[in-house]
Amino acid sequence: GAVVSQHPSRVICKSGTSVKIECRSLDFQATTMFWYRQFPKKSLMLMATSNEGSKATYEQGVEKDKFLINHASLTLSTLTVTSAHPEDSSFYICSARVLGRDEQFFGPGTRLTVL
Amino acid sequence: QKEVEQNSGPLSVPEGAIASLNCTYSDRGSQSFFWYRQYSGKSPELIMSIYSNGDKEDGRFTAQLNKASQYVSLLIRDSQPSDSATYLCAVNTGFQKLVFGTGTRLLVSP
Repeated sequence: GAVVSQHPSRVICKSGTSVKIECRSLDFQATTMFWYRQFPKKSLMLMATSNEGSKATYEQGVEKDKFLINHASLTLSTLTVTSAHPEDSSFYICSARVLGRDEQFFGPGTRLTVL
Repeated sequence: QKEVEQNSGPLSVPEGAIASLNCTYSDRGSQSFFWYRQYSGKSPELIMSIYSNGDKEDGRFTAQLNKASQYVSLLIRDSQPSDSATYLCAVNTGFQKLVFGTGTRLLVSP
């Protein structure tokens, strides 16, 4: 149980384009999902907390207009990187929290490369 | 002071030995504690959770929690080369999100 999927697993795009990443909880309902970013050999950095049906809460320094988060259902959250630039190239990972529990289960991640 | 601290390592142990990974946290109100394993290029995988003082065992893994000392540890018995990874300590401080340490890199040599 507690399986989280992400799609796509890898994306390469041109500078200036927008990229949407989907995060799904496959066998449980996730009222809260989280989006992280990780640069090579660096630690996880929380970008935002996404609650179903409400606006996401962004961490300090994360541009909400650049990283659009939508959590429209209990099993799906999306992250859209708008007008991506090479410095946005990173490993984006979502996680989901089981209702009533503290554990977070991570998706497999999406590797974004912006040319 | 960082909220969750881990030695970055690498911690090198020979195959078959016990690997001991440590983590300290600053918020005394923290309620739940987790260990994640992250292989290079992959996302973190939950391996242990612990909520009360003492030891919790799961196969070759034992998590230890001492709230008075604000200390969490993970012991890996009979370490295997496949255990080589970065181990992340995470703490729930009462809010929705987890606070992660920077991770300890473990190297198990054959």
